[in-house]
Amino acid sequence: AQSVAQPEDQVNVAEGNPLTVKCTYSVSGNPYLFWYVQYPNRGLQFLLKYITGDNLVKGSYGFEAEFNKSQTSFHLKKPSALVSDSALYFCAVRGFAGNKLTFGGGTRVLVKP
Amino acid sequence: NAGVTQTPKFQVLKTGQSMTLQCAQDMNHNSMYWYRQDPGMGLRLIYYSASEGTTDKGEVPNGYNVSRLNKREFSLRLESAAPSQTSVYFCASIPGKYLTTDTQYFGPGTRLTVL
Repeated sequence: AQSVAQPEDQVNVAEGNPLTVKCTYSVSGNPYLFWYVQYPNRGLQFLLKYITGDNLVKGSYGFEAEFNKSQTSFHLKKPSALVSDSALYFCAVRGFAGNKLTFGGGTRVLVKP
Repeated sequence: NAGVTQTPKFQVLKTGQSMTLQCAQDMNHNSMYWYRQDPGMGLRLIYYSASEGTTDKGEVPNGYNVSRLNKREFSLRLESAAPSQTSVYFCASIPGKYLTTDTQYFGPGTRLTVL
């Protein structure tokens, strides 16, 4: 069975500081990895995905994520956080042969001015 | 394009009542999904439809039924609502017939409370 762990329920960061949201996964075979963001009272919005190729993936709104196969991680990063980045972030994984996407429990990011 | 739309936005039911959550997409997508979101548990798949005329169970299908009415619409029905079904429900769609590397497009959600 595939699974995703987001070990931090909440991450607090000052505006302008680097932001990291952690994600580790477990899946059979090569993974397909996704990050989504959810703003209050809204649906999930796609940020970025790793399918194959370069381990560093760049996505929307200045976010990037690094795929690390040996550590089975796919941490989301942003060099300089904005107050508007405050939201709920979800990591998700799908195995190569699977047809379902498994989501982590979510990490709430609070960026303070 | 409106994308993925859901109705209603909010609903309060009493235990035992029934209701149908509606979802429609105008992107000509093949596959559609229903998820529920509960605090700390992420999104869990209830049912999905890989194409018009087909539906399959997801991770938590008990207490729910679905109908893929046509390519655009995918409804979720609670026949006899229970407090454990209090949740936020999201519909999503992808262009392909199976969840490959496609990005899922999500609706705004329906917040359901069962008393």
